[in-house]
Amino acid sequence: DAMVIQNPRYQVTQFGKPVTLSCSQTLNHNVMYWYQQKSSQAPKLLFHYYDKDFNNEADTPDNFQSRRPNTSFCFLDIRSPGLGDAAMYLCATSRDKRTGVNIQYFGAGTRLSVL
Amino acid sequence: AQTVTQSQPEMSVQEAETVTLSCTYDTSESDYYLFWYKQPPSRQMILVIRQEAYKQQNATENRFSVNFQKAAKSFSLKISDSQLGDAAMYFCAYRMEYGNKLVFGAGTILRVKS
Repeated sequence: DAMVIQNPRYQVTQFGKPVTLSCSQTLNHNVMYWYQQKSSQAPKLLFHYYDKDFNNEADTPDNFQSRRPNTSFCFLDIRSPGLGDAAMYLCATSRDKRTGVNIQYFGAGTRLSVL
Repeated sequence: AQTVTQSQPEMSVQEAETVTLSCTYDTSESDYYLFWYKQPPSRQMILVIRQEAYKQQNATENRFSVNFQKAAKSFSLKISDSQLGDAAMYFCAYRMEYGNKLVFGAGTILRVKS
């Protein structure tokens, strides 16, 4: 059973045209994450939500925004995609445990191409 | 800031043989968690094995085991009886005890030869 679902799997957009990627989860986890992964590189955390609390990484460009309307869904908005934003975008979830093991479960990713 | 280093960009192993993937990390924390994640081509990343830093015993999960050397800040993954399905990118990751953020290494591509 898919637990973290990302749609679409492949997305093509034009330079400068806003695009939204979506993530849903059936795990009822209260933390959701967005990572950017460029070819053959490590995933890089963009931001995460702890419930409705938004936590941005210091080096995440302003071009990237996120929304979390409810526990199950989280969106990544790229306001004006540039060629450098072409990447795989991974969504992950975890149960928040400020102590103790806190396993992140990943979706299959959305591969974004920018033309 | 914590960093994770995987010094082997690529490794190869013959089917049924054993391979070890290396990982070192840098932290000033005494309590933390370490993970190995597997990312097959075009498929989602899944957790292979995890280790709590306060545990001296090395974690094992079936054919997967780790060699955790806390003083040396080393966390290697051993895959025994390698199978074709083990071919993937493997990421080593670190997490502070308090917090949600994972810090990943650059990854090691594992190729399995039949």
